Amino acid sequence: NAGVTQTPKFQVLKTGQSMTLQCAQDMNHEYMSWYRQDPGMGLRLIHYSVGAGITDQGEVPNGYNVSRSTTEDFPLRLLSAAPSQTSVYFCASSTGPPLNEQFFGPGTRLTVL
Amino acid sequence: AQKVTQAQTEISVVEKEDVTLDCVYETRDTTYYLFWYKQPPSGELVFLIRRNSFDEQNEISGRYSWNFQKSTSSFNFTITASQVVDSAVYFCALTKDRGDFGNEKLTFGTGTRLTIIP
Repeated sequence: NAGVTQTPKFQVLKTGQSMTLQCAQDMNHEYMSWYRQDPGMGLRLIHYSVGAGITDQGEVPNGYNVSRSTTEDFPLRLLSAAPSQTSVYFCASSTGPPLNEQFFGPGTRLTVL
Repeated sequence: AQKVTQAQTEISVVEKEDVTLDCVYETRDTTYYLFWYKQPPSGELVFLIRRNSFDEQNEISGRYSWNFQKSTSSFNFTITASQVVDSAVYFCALTKDRGDFGNEKLTFGTGTRLTIIP
């Protein structure tokens, strides 16, 4: 049971490049989310999913796309990277009721030059 | 809209001192969950506690204790006899209790960086 895994751990992009941050969980959780962490701002929700085929926007969705074709995977796509997207990205999955426990991945540190 | 305020940006205490981290929240929801997470220098997020708004009992887990006061919308976290390993950034978070649905949308505070001085 690996929990929530994220790849890559580190990535450097040039402005305008696109890439996909991978997130996978092996706990059969329906609920998954993407957050970004910036200095002095805590974690902010980008997108979330309540099950395969269902996604919705969070607080800061602009510049990011998601899809959820399987329960296990929830990739985050940067369409055209910008320096403002330099951040640490965390993926999370949740058990749902009644425990409602959130499990976070180890994070991906992204730098956009 | 929901909001979590952690007014203490950074705190430093000498080892073995007690320290309290403050968390004040705002929500219009009648039922909700509150969380504390620890982020050590290695960067991962470690779950510490989840508290439902119905349960106002204080909780103690070893050197950690939590004081939930609905009347003041606060959920403060105290570390007793602090240790160097407690040095980390601590986040308070809030989510609506959606009953049969999950809590996939957390609202985080900006975090408090705690440094324990040996």
